[in-house]
Amino acid sequence: NAGVTQTPKFQVLKTGQSMTLQCAQDMNHEYMSWYRQDPGMGLRLIHYSVGAGITDQGEVPNGYNVSRSTTEDFPLRLLSAAPSQTSVYFCASSSGTSGRNEQFFGPGTRLTVL
Amino acid sequence: GESVGLHLPTLSVQEGDNSIINCAYSNSASDYFIWYKQESGKGPQFIIDIRSNMDKRQGQRVTVLLNKTVKHLSLQIAATQPGDSAVYFCAPSWTGANNLFFGTGTRLTVIP
Repeated sequence: NAGVTQTPKFQVLKTGQSMTLQCAQDMNHEYMSWYRQDPGMGLRLIHYSVGAGITDQGEVPNGYNVSRSTTEDFPLRLLSAAPSQTSVYFCASSSGTSGRNEQFFGPGTRLTVL
Repeated sequence: GESVGLHLPTLSVQEGDNSIINCAYSNSASDYFIWYKQESGKGPQFIIDIRSNMDKRQGQRVTVLLNKTVKHLSLQIAATQPGDSAVYFCAPSWTGANNLFFGTGTRLTVIP
């Protein structure tokens, strides 16, 4: 099993550009989530999904969109990047339909917005 | 909601000594707690968890203690090794919540 994979590992954007951060898991997990981690801070939840076709907002959803068309994939879209979105983004998944269980994290995507 | 704080954002220990990382939480309804380890440039990795019906749980070289009365838990690492150098997060949750809530973490540095 590859676990949770994320692409790209690094990305530099200009203000106003759009992009999609990819996340995939091969563990047949129902629950998937996106976090951002800023320097010296913990992880803050952006969006999460409890199954295909179901998504919900987390603590810091503004500026981000998600969709969940399959169990395996949970892409995160930045429609118009802003410097405040410079961060490291982690995708995670867990079994069941709740994020209260052990979550498995991907390696992260380091995003810089100029 | 949940506010999670860590006592001592940084901790340095000598190799071979025991480490104790503390975590305070605010929500008295929190009933499930996970400790994660995050090495530099990597995603967080599960270490150990504990439910509120327990006050102690042991793993391999790690022990988590939970004091619900004062809303505090600690992670003890025995015979700390250089590979233990990382940031450690506690992440509480409670029945009805869909997620974990991460604190800011404690950076553990092991001195050879």
